Amino acid sequence: KQEVTQIPAALSVPEGENLVLNCSFTDSAIYNLQWFRQDPGKGLTSLLLIQSSQREQTSGRLNASLDKSSGRSTLYIAASQPGDSATYLCAATSGSRLTFGEGTQLTVNP
Amino acid sequence: GAGVSQTPSNKVTEKGKYVELRCDPISGHTALYWYRQSLGQGPEFLIYFQGTGAADDSGLPNDRFFAVRPEGSVSTLKIQRTERGDSAVYLCASSSQPPRLAGMTDTQYFGPGTRLTVL
Repeated sequence: KQEVTQIPAALSVPEGENLVLNCSFTDSAIYNLQWFRQDPGKGLTSLLLIQSSQREQTSGRLNASLDKSSGRSTLYIAASQPGDSATYLCAATSGSRLTFGEGTQLTVNP
Repeated sequence: GAGVSQTPSNKVTEKGKYVELRCDPISGHTALYWYRQSLGQGPEFLIYFQGTGAADDSGLPNDRFFAVRPEGSVSTLKIQRTERGDSAVYLCASSSQPPRLAGMTDTQYFGPGTRLTVL
């Protein structure tokens, strides 16, 4: 059974700081690894999807990496802004389902 | 075009009652997923539809939970004899392609969810 863990559970940083969110998964037989953003009371917004054959994906200030052999992914956020404050979830796709971590709650202080 | 929509946005019911939660996927998406998210947790998989059929229902917690997608578009999640432990946000997602070989999968687009509260 796939298990996904995210560290840290919560993170508070000053505006402008670069930061890294960590995700680990136990079963390396994944189709892809996705990072989502969730704002309070809202659904999930897909940020980046890394196919199992890829090592990283970039979108604007976001960069996600994937190391299947070690069961790890990281989300790097450059020059953080208060608008980046949200919960960030990673999810591993195996078979027909996404298995989510519990999320990292990020607060970027002005 | 419109994203995934879910109705109602909030549902309060009493223990023992029956509830139905509706999901309208993105037009043309053949794959539809239901997840449940408890407070402070990540979403947990419930069921996956490919077209009209439930291709994987192994995440349904027990036989009080049932879902249908009769015409391959709108889906309804049905919960009988609700219990307080069923209180959660129920999320629906759709994608244009079913899960396939590694390296050939599509992202899932999520709706805003239905917050179910069982008193």
